[in-house]
Amino acid sequence: ELKVEQNPLFLSMQEGKNYTIYCNYSTTSDRLYWYRQDPGKSLESLFVLLSNGAVKQEGRLMASLDTKARLSTLHITAAVHDLSATYFCAVDTTDSGGGADGLTFGKGTHLIIQP
Amino acid sequence: EAGVAQSPRYKIIEKRQSVAFWCNPISGHATLYWYQQILGQGPKLLIQFQNNGVVDDSQLPKDRFSAERLKGVDSTLKIQPAKLEDSAVYLCASSLRLTANTGELFFGEGSRLTVL
Repeated sequence: ELKVEQNPLFLSMQEGKNYTIYCNYSTTSDRLYWYRQDPGKSLESLFVLLSNGAVKQEGRLMASLDTKARLSTLHITAAVHDLSATYFCAVDTTDSGGGADGLTFGKGTHLIIQP
Repeated sequence: EAGVAQSPRYKIIEKRQSVAFWCNPISGHATLYWYQQILGQGPKLLIQFQNNGVVDDSQLPKDRFSAERLKGVDSTLKIQPAKLEDSAVYLCASSLRLTANTGELFFGEGSRLTVL
């Protein structure tokens, strides 16, 4: 059974600081996704990482993927209050032949950024 | 482009009653998913459709949950009879899911179910 573990699960940090959220997974996969969820809202796609060594950046967020270590990171640079949300990583175990391929999500990292 | 539409947004029922949720995916998306998100947890896949066929329903509690996707577009998820532990947000997602595609899932706003 595929396991996706995020840490930390809760993070309170001050504006202006840097921090990293980690996502480990237990099976081979070349595809990993990061989503953001605001309270009472649905999931918003942030990053799609499709190969080993992939790095994507958007504003103060940067995501990377190391498929050999089965690890993805989401780095926050100079945090601002608007980034407060829950962040999920999700692993895709689809093989090239298709078939069942629903994403397996981590438990999420609840991030609070305080002024 | 219109996103994934879901209804109702909120539903409160008593245990042992039934409920149904509706989803309309993004136009042209062949693959549709239903996820269950219990408060404080990540979404868990219940069922995946490819067009109108079921690809994976291994985590669907089939004694009480059922889902269909007639004509390969809209889908309904039904719970009968509901239990207290079914209280959750039911998220519908759709994807192009072509080999050359990113495989990204697009989620609807969700249907929040409270079972009393």
